[in-house]
Amino acid sequence: DQQVKQNSPSLSVQEGRISILNCDYTNSMFDYFLWYKKYPAEGPTFLISISSIKDKNEDGRFTVFLNKSAKHLSLHIVPSQPGDSAVYFCAASPGDFNKFYFGSGTKLNVKP
Amino acid sequence: NAGVMQNPRHLVRRRGQEARLRCSPMKGHSHVYWYRQLPEEGLKFMVYLQKENIIDESGMPKERFSAEFPKEGPSILRIQQVVRGDSAAYFCASSPRVGQHTGELFFGEGSRLTVL
Repeated sequence: DQQVKQNSPSLSVQEGRISILNCDYTNSMFDYFLWYKKYPAEGPTFLISISSIKDKNEDGRFTVFLNKSAKHLSLHIVPSQPGDSAVYFCAASPGDFNKFYFGSGTKLNVKP
Repeated sequence: NAGVMQNPRHLVRRRGQEARLRCSPMKGHSHVYWYRQLPEEGLKFMVYLQKENIIDESGMPKERFSAEFPKEGPSILRIQQVVRGDSAAYFCASSPRVGQHTGELFFGEGSRLTVL
């Protein structure tokens, strides 16, 4: 029943390079997609979102791309910084916001 | 601090005891979500509530778990007769009411339940 999947449990990137985190979903009713960042012993914090009417949304160093036909979204961080080291969760909602489905997370390590 | 407040941050219970987790949403938010994170796993939806009303509880186990969000006071997630498998981090998130919802959830720092 895993409707949102993050197939890479971890990613290691050199400081200054690009980090690309991927997420796949199965439910075509999903209308709204978000990325959250989580540090140990803290709650997730919102990073960036995209609705299904767009295919790209950019906010500073963070860009989310949505490919509806492939049911795939990705988060690009450029340039990556050591402070970006955290677990990143993607999430999706049918748009009524009654329920958000989260992936299992990707642990990003940005090496200085 | 007007953020989402959860307490206790850490709770230890023996098998068979009851656990009560509390969540005060952000000021001005009238909707609360509860999520559970098991070790090495993602966040699993449990329940979505507004004041005095459960909107969606499709993620709640059928037995021993209940949630409420009274007119006054925090939202409470109650787990009766806890078992070791209930050990997890329980996160609460809040959002504004429908019509003001941007899709962003504001999470608390979580309550970590350990069942001995």
